[in-house]
Amino acid sequence: AQSVTQPDIHITVSEGASLELRCNYSYGATPYLFWYVQSPGQGLQLLLKYFSGDTLVQGIKGFEAEFKRSQSSFNLRKPSVHWSDAAEYFCAVGVVGSQGNLIFGKGTKLSVKP
Amino acid sequence: DVKVTQSSRYLVKRTGEKVFLECVQDMDHENMFWYRQDPGLGLRLIYFSYDVKMKEKGDIPEGYSVSREKKERFSLILESASTNQTSMYLCAHQRGNTEAFFGQGTRLTVV
Repeated sequence: AQSVTQPDIHITVSEGASLELRCNYSYGATPYLFWYVQSPGQGLQLLLKYFSGDTLVQGIKGFEAEFKRSQSSFNLRKPSVHWSDAAEYFCAVGVVGSQGNLIFGKGTKLSVKP
Repeated sequence: DVKVTQSSRYLVKRTGEKVFLECVQDMDHENMFWYRQDPGLGLRLIYFSYDVKMKEKGDIPEGYSVSREKKERFSLILESASTNQTSMYLCAHQRGNTEAFFGQGTRLTVV
């Protein structure tokens, strides 16, 4: 069965520092990959997605992610974190050829210190 | 802008009450989902629907039912609310197996 692992439950970074959030998936073929962000008390907002092609994808709010097939990873990065980036981040996998139903990781909570 | 409307942001209900959570989307998407979100457990799929009048159980359907009489509306029903159903409920919709769009969530408290 497909699964998504976000190994870090909580990460704290200083404002202005770089950020990398890890995501590993388990799936037999290349899946569709997504990163979502959730601010406190809100729904999930799509940051970026990968379907095919260039393995480095750009998203909103200055985020990017790189798909590495050999490592089954889709890590999220940002070169300089802003205080407003404090939120919870979810990685998700979509199964190619299926009818839908994304599989989500358990999330990584990001705290930003001044 | 994509719009997913959940009928309530906050809801307080008593144990044993029948609770309806409504979700409406304006994108004419086939797929609609109900998740619950609890700290440390991430998003867990309750029910989903690929078309009008169709429904499929997700990972945690016990204690819930759903209704999809129209394509744009997907309702989650708690037949007899219990305190362990206190949670954040998120509705989402999706075309095919591309990205899902989420509502703002309903924080339900059962007392």
